Amino acid sequence: SQQGEEDPQALSIQEGENATMNCSYKTSINNLQWYRQNSGRGLVHLILIRSNEREKHSGRLRVTLDTSKKSSSLLITASRAADTASYFCAYSGSARQLTFGSGTQLTVLP
Amino acid sequence: GAGVSQTPSNKVTEKGKYVELRCDPISGHTALYWYRQSLGQGPEFLIYFQGTGAADDSGLPNDRFFAVRPEGSVSTLKIQRTERGDSAVYLCASSLKADSNQPQHFGDGTRLSIL
Repeated sequence: SQQGEEDPQALSIQEGENATMNCSYKTSINNLQWYRQNSGRGLVHLILIRSNEREKHSGRLRVTLDTSKKSSSLLITASRAADTASYFCAYSGSARQLTFGSGTQLTVLP
Repeated sequence: GAGVSQTPSNKVTEKGKYVELRCDPISGHTALYWYRQSLGQGPEFLIYFQGTGAADDSGLPNDRFFAVRPEGSVSTLKIQRTERGDSAVYLCASSLKADSNQPQHFGDGTRLSIL
């Protein structure tokens, strides 16, 4: 069963706007990762933030992690139509496998 | 190949049949993971291998599910006596090693439909 929750479940924005997705989890973690999935495809790794980090940037992506609140957020700036996809947070604790959230479906309108 | 390859991409079979799903990981990746994804949900862990051995199979739902990786490269997920509830997309991922700080690289999955 999934132990991560994401909100919103769906988000629709105009091209050029910023998109923010949130993730909450319930256990202690080693790191938290964000993945993207286009319809009918596998997941693509976007960014990893370790438990001792608070913020990380990669291109137009900004990830924050608050371990005291057991939450993370993914910000995509200056969104493009090509950013339309499902976004999943995933975390690992003592185990090697990832536990995924329920995902946010992002639609960027041109 | 450049990425993780899964075959077949689609599989339709009748309830009660046996199916095998194949995963060919990125060359040199020692860790291989199987996940199952239902519509509108995130992937759920099934099993992972470090080399040839199953390091953690705690996600397998019952004894109808089994996976092997005999030579430490290609893996096969086997499902016996399939049930309609087994219908899902089965995803395979690999990473350089079984380290939680390693990103996982996913294949496009096998969409399994049990009629």
